Amino acid sequence: GQQVMQIPQYQHVQEGEDFTTYCNSSTTLSNIQWYKQRPGGHPVFLIQLVKSGEVKKQKRLTFQFGEAKKNSSLHITATQTTDVGTYFCAGGDSGYALNFGKGTSLLVTP
Amino acid sequence: NAGVTQTPKFQVLKTGQSMTLQCAQDMNHEYMSWYRQDPGMGLRLIHYSVGAGITDQGEVPNGYNVSRSTTEDFPLRLLSAAPSQTSVYFCASTADRGVGNTIYFGEGSWLTVV
Repeated sequence: GQQVMQIPQYQHVQEGEDFTTYCNSSTTLSNIQWYKQRPGGHPVFLIQLVKSGEVKKQKRLTFQFGEAKKNSSLHITATQTTDVGTYFCAGGDSGYALNFGKGTSLLVTP
Repeated sequence: NAGVTQTPKFQVLKTGQSMTLQCAQDMNHEYMSWYRQDPGMGLRLIHYSVGAGITDQGEVPNGYNVSRSTTEDFPLRLLSAAPSQTSVYFCASTADRGVGNTIYFGEGSWLTVV
């Protein structure tokens, strides 16, 4: 079955540094979604990418979908302490039956 | 607007006991899902539903039952709890099967089986 892998597992940065997490799928994805989960909280939907090579921005967050639709990345520019949490990518043919990566936990120290 | 509501938030069960985790959404979403989250494992799909009366299995369905008698409710039943089912359970719903619609998660149910 489809496997979604994320690296790194953990990332510790100083506030103001950039952060990137990478997501790779064993098969071609019809779409990829990104979520943020704060410690003790629930996953919060960030974005969905559908098109090959797509790039979307949300303020300091930049999301990319690879040309082959098998990889994706999330880049945060100038991290803030409010960015702390675990970032998950998820793939699947639908929005209701997803394969999640194991996530990248981001720690930001002031 | 409550979104996706899960109850209970915390539960301790003894091995062999049964219980139901409740999930309700007030957004008239057709699609609902249950996931479990274990440390370092991400979220794994247990069961999902594409509408009232229709359910299907996900990646880790063993030991769990679901039903969807109404659009709003999607309960998850543990038939005979085992320590391996200690986890955090999340219910999710969305309006659309594919592109562009936000997926909403409930706040989670923390289950411990002793």
